[in-house]
Amino acid sequence: AQTVTQSQPEMSVQEAETVTLSCTYDTSESDYYLFWYKQPPSRQMILVIRQEAYKQQNATENRFSVNFQKAAKSFSLKISDSQLGDAAMYFCVEGGSQGNLIFGKGTKLSVKP
Amino acid sequence: EAQVTQNPRYLITVTGKKLTVTCSQNMNHEYMSWYRQDPGLGLRQIYYSMNVEVTDKGDVPEGYKVSRKEKRNFPLILESPSPNQTSLYFCASSSLAARLLNEQFFGPGTRLTVL
Repeated sequence: AQTVTQSQPEMSVQEAETVTLSCTYDTSESDYYLFWYKQPPSRQMILVIRQEAYKQQNATENRFSVNFQKAAKSFSLKISDSQLGDAAMYFCVEGGSQGNLIFGKGTKLSVKP
Repeated sequence: EAQVTQNPRYLITVTGKKLTVTCSQNMNHEYMSWYRQDPGLGLRQIYYSMNVEVTDKGDVPEGYKVSRKEKRNFPLILESPSPNQTSLYFCASSSLAARLLNEQFFGPGTRLTVL
């Protein structure tokens, strides 16, 4: 069965510093997407970044970047220059060709001023 | 504005009283899905639909029904709600790019309480 594991239930970072959230996944598919979604207290699900598995280059979106290690099935999220608005629950998600999305259980990120 | 809408946003009901949560998207997406979110469990998929008249079970389909008669709508039906269905529900839609599930656009969520 496909699984997504986020081993850090909670993380904390000082404002303006860098934090990395870990994610590993297990899939038998050769083509798939990986995502990081953010859920602030408003509960809205917001896409942070997306990685296509066939692309070797790591995706980057402003202060957010990923370290995608396909062979190791690892997909970590790095947040640089952390801001108070980054405080949220972060979900690592895998999506493939079978129509189902697999979510990790989430990492709650706190940002200290 | 491209969006996914859900109604109602909040609902308190009693055990056994049938209810429907509506979901509608205006992006002409082929794919739609329902998830439930419970503390410590992340989001779990209930049902999904790859296109009109095509629906499939997700990880936790028991106690739920769906239909996809039109491309834009994907209602979630609880025929006989029970307290263990108290949860936060999300509807989402996506295009199907080259067969792969692409970015999901989520609705605002429906908080359901079953007494």
